[in-house]
Amino acid sequence: GQSLEQPSEVTAVEGAIVQINCTYQTSGFYGLSWYQQHDGGAPTFLSYNALDGLEETGRFSSFLSRSDSYGYLLLQELQMKDSASYFCAVTWVDSNYQLIWGAGTKLIIKP
Amino acid sequence: NAGVMQNPRHLVRRRGQEARLRCSPMKGHSHVYWYRQLPEEGLKFMVYLQKENIIDESGMPKERFSAEFPKEGPSILRIQQVVRGDSAAYFCASSPGEQETQYFGPGTRLLVL
Repeated sequence: GQSLEQPSEVTAVEGAIVQINCTYQTSGFYGLSWYQQHDGGAPTFLSYNALDGLEETGRFSSFLSRSDSYGYLLLQELQMKDSASYFCAVTWVDSNYQLIWGAGTKLIIKP
Repeated sequence: NAGVMQNPRHLVRRRGQEARLRCSPMKGHSHVYWYRQLPEEGLKFMVYLQKENIIDESGMPKERFSAEFPKEGPSILRIQQVVRGDSAAYFCASSPGEQETQYFGPGTRLLVL
């Protein structure tokens, strides 16, 4: 079956840089998405990588290496409002292009 | 420029009752997806629909759960004879096309007493 792994929790300080990793099973991989979810809120789309390399959107960047079955989300200049859970989600060709989600990484930011 | 809308936001049901969750996709989006999320977990895919068609229901429990997306009106996720284990947040997402970014609604928090 398909599976994704990401750390359950990451702690960082305000103003710092943090990297959240995601590894996935290879078969049928199509693309990697990242979503942010605040407690009690809805997932919000952050980025999508289908090709190797780095995609930058303001303070957030996302990276993909298809050969390593690995990606990461990079958050710079951390702000307290970035405290949330971050989910990687993979689109699999053999699951009708549906999103399969990781269990999420809770990002805790300290002042 | 309304986003994906879901109602109700919170729903309380007693065991054995029926729950109906509604989802109106973003304007111009014809693809709807339903997901379930338990506390401290990621989202689990349930069903993928286009207008009047169920494309993929591989994540739906075989009994008590059904979904529809009629030609007119919102998509409905229906849970019959709810049990405590159905308590969860149910999110709907929509996209303009099959492989395009999914945008999520605010979710319906279902509590079964």
